[in-house]
Amino acid sequence: ETGVTQTPRHLVMGMTNKKSLKCEQHLGHNAMYWYKQSAKKPLELMFVYSLEERVENNSVPSRFSPECPNSSHLFLHLHTLQPEDSALYLCASSQVLAGLNEQFFGPGTRLTVL
Amino acid sequence: GQNIDQPTEMTATEGAIVQINCTYQTSGFNGLFWYQQHAGEAPTFLSYNVLDGLEEKGRFSSFLSRSKGYSYLLLKELQMKDSASYLCAVRDPRENYGQNFVFGPGTRLSVLP
Repeated sequence: ETGVTQTPRHLVMGMTNKKSLKCEQHLGHNAMYWYKQSAKKPLELMFVYSLEERVENNSVPSRFSPECPNSSHLFLHLHTLQPEDSALYLCASSQVLAGLNEQFFGPGTRLTVL
Repeated sequence: GQNIDQPTEMTATEGAIVQINCTYQTSGFNGLFWYQQHAGEAPTFLSYNVLDGLEEKGRFSSFLSRSKGYSYLLLKELQMKDSASYLCAVRDPRENYGQNFVFGPGTRLSVLP
């Protein structure tokens, strides 16, 4: 148990659907992250929320919209996605300003866009 | 730009030693991390280097040379369960508290009996 949970674990959606991914961390951390992991490609950092403020978005398409209502919860809202958005979406958390600041990852949501 | 390189795949024998290399070119540096990721699972933290030298942690050791932009992960007494992808990541701090992690493509290690 890593202390970071994600739901759903698997999601299949059409290009016109709207869905949301949820992440919750039980570690008391103050930073949360969304990553995209595609086959044969490095982990891509999409969004960072540090102290509940977004500090990095890496030019992610606007069809991905993050929300961080508090330090324990993170959402990724999806709409009008493309088939190339099919990937594993990983959430992570860490404690910034704490030296090591290693990230703890959730199990991921396997997203398939038809 | 940001660039991290690792070999794509490696194969080793149970009980042997394997070294996985990582080279990086990033605009900033505030630590290098190694993660292990088994197929279908989340990455888990293995080691961290911020100063030059070797950090040892049981069967796993990690080395860093900041001047060369180089790190390696050394796995000793390999076990079948060590078959996984190993991800090298550099923390590139762009703001006082902002955290930007750049990951390499990962090295898929297969341990054979």
